[in-house]
Amino acid sequence: SQQGEEDPQALSIQEGENATMNCSYKTSINNLQWYRQNSGRGLVHLILIRSNEREKHSGRLRVTLDTSKKSSSLLITASRAADTASYFCATDAEGNTGKLIFGQGTTLQVKP
Amino acid sequence: SQTIHQWPATLVQPVGSPLSLECTVEGTSNPNLYWYRQAAGRGLQLLFYSIGIGQISSEVPQNLSASRPQDRQFILSSKKLLLSDSGFYLCAWSVRRRGKRNEQFFGPGTRLTVL
Repeated sequence: SQQGEEDPQALSIQEGENATMNCSYKTSINNLQWYRQNSGRGLVHLILIRSNEREKHSGRLRVTLDTSKKSSSLLITASRAADTASYFCATDAEGNTGKLIFGQGTTLQVKP
Repeated sequence: SQTIHQWPATLVQPVGSPLSLECTVEGTSNPNLYWYRQAAGRGLQLLFYSIGIGQISSEVPQNLSASRPQDRQFILSSKKLLLSDSGFYLCAWSVRRRGKRNEQFFGPGTRLTVL
């Protein structure tokens, strides 16, 4: 079953603008993660936010988590053309298997 | 440092032919290992995961199988490929530990086209 759902599905902005992507999930989580995927490549882990955290920063990335609404957002500030990629949220599944459930992703295009 | 290798990078196979994709991890021991498939423009579907040698869990019924003959080797196989097996296959690993951090680290992927 689908756990994470991102919106929008696609986003196109100009370089220098901020990009915001949202993720909703259905069940209780221990943490929520965001990943980036350049076209035709593997995913790269960006940031992890624990269920008891509300906001986390890493460079130009800002992630928020609202467990009451079962939602998270990823904000990329001062975007660059190199930020063009697909972004996925992932939530952990039950047990200690380390399994993650990925959303369908948001495709971000940053125009120079 | 840890690295993960996948090969081949691209593969074109006829329907009904066998498949073997290999994934190896270096620089870590006892990793959890995962195989995902990604359809064009879509998210990742978990196919198999493994928490140890010979221990494979299948997430979805399908035409594929997985094996883990060594601690850091994960193989995805099929006896007879179907057109629907086409896609981008990703291998990933994570540290096997209790606790709440379980980032996954991905290989470069294999683009499989079944004709």
